[in-house]
Amino acid sequence: DAGVIQSPRHEVTEMGQEVTLRCKPISGHDYLFWYRQTMMRGLELLIYFNNNVPIDDSGMPEDRFSAKMPNASFSTLKIQPSEPRDSAVYFCASTSPPPFVAGGSNEQFFGPGTRLTVL
Amino acid sequence: QQPVQSPQAVILREGEDAVINCSSSKALYSVHWYRQKHGEAPVFLMILLKGGEQKGHEKISASFNEKKQQSSLYLTASQLSYSGTYFCGTERIGRDDKIIFGKGTRLHILP
Repeated sequence: DAGVIQSPRHEVTEMGQEVTLRCKPISGHDYLFWYRQTMMRGLELLIYFNNNVPIDDSGMPEDRFSAKMPNASFSTLKIQPSEPRDSAVYFCASTSPPPFVAGGSNEQFFGPGTRLTVL
Repeated sequence: QQPVQSPQAVILREGEDAVINCSSSKALYSVHWYRQKHGEAPVFLMILLKGGEQKGHEKISASFNEKKQQSSLYLTASQLSYSGTYFCGTERIGRDDKIIFGKGTRLHILP
């Protein structure tokens, strides 16, 4: 398997522009997570999906951020309009937790990230 | 509800030992440990489930004290390859399947 795929790897844009980040999870994984990483705040969970359905978006900073998962193999994170404070590395991760009774690992597999710079 | 990690940074010489701590104010189901090298994605090290178990990965091991909601990561006889930022992630009782990560502990190993 190719692992979690993210695109683009780097994005430089000007304030006010729309930015779309893309993620392809590992085939068979039914959970997908979007994280934002900055030096100040560390690794923040923005939103996660289970079986393509958004479960918890409490980490989405404001209405300028939106995320979709139209099918099991694709998700997008959109920022419109973008602002300089949105500059960060955005990671997508996927996992497939075992049944509760199995007590097994639910390791998250991270993509390589998208480094976003908003000027 | 973000777990608190300590110390924030550690500098060691190769072969020395280190302990990284992670504490939460919430009742936990599990604690996860990840390592991230500069410019790369976080990589899973291990998970500890409530029950106070200990686990190991090479010369890296961890414990989980569920009564205190604390976990510790032990790095023994550190190697240059251990350099990076270590994150603990906590999953609360109720298993809502999301992990909240601490701010990380930067570890630098000197030759």
